[in-house]
Amino acid sequence: EVQLVESGGGLVQPGRSLKLSCAASGFTFSNYGMHWIRQAPTKGLEWVASISPSGGSTYYRDSVKGRFTISRDNAKSTLYLQMDSLRSEDTATYYCATASYGGYPYWGQGVMVTVSS
Amino acid sequence: DVVMTQTPPSLSVAIGQSVSISCKSSQSLVYSDGKTYLHWLLQSPGRSPKRLIYQVSNLGSGVPDRFSGTGSQKDFTLKISRVEAEDLGVYYCAQTTHFPFTFGSGTKLEIK
Repeated sequence: EVQLVESGGGLVQPGRSLKLSCAASGFTFSNYGMHWIRQAPTKGLEWVASISPSGGSTYYRDSVKGRFTISRDNAKSTLYLQMDSLRSEDTATYYCATASYGGYPYWGQGVMVTVSS
Repeated sequence: DVVMTQTPPSLSVAIGQSVSISCKSSQSLVYSDGKTYLHWLLQSPGRSPKRLIYQVSNLGSGVPDRFSGTGSQKDFTLKISRVEAEDLGVYYCAQTTHFPFTFGSGTKLEIK
């Protein structure tokens, strides 16, 4: 059974950093690209970043470019999102999801990030 | 960015009825490989999103065949036949043809 479990969320002050993790199991992690997708409270879904299976290619939405870094450790089957210079508008539930030609087949349960002083 | 316009924003339907949700994109979603990367997701209350349909019309694993998707280029439709209580939630269309990937604003389905 495919499982994606996010961790690392919490309350953080504006301008500070936070690192999210997504532990994957039940599939060959190194064969799949991965996404981070977020959802602000009571809002819709917003794609944040993606990474290729090897980690050699990464993609970001403009609003997080230069502040967020997506990475992965295939030996540990874990995806990361390093978030620096956090802003109030980054407050959201962050989901990791598998990437494929079939869209977003699998999602984690999400982790809440609150940016507030 | 590709804008995904979903209508209606909300629906209220009785069990057993059929409904359709529209999703229109601001650009063609046909990729250079000839495939169209338009997908449909359902987010049930308090849950993570779940993929229903991928590449316009392909049913995701374990998804009932009451769900069907049609469309091409910039105009897509999700149809739910014989709505059941478990179908309530917010439906999103999503495109993964063009970066940045984008989602529709959602259609909230309520059961009468």
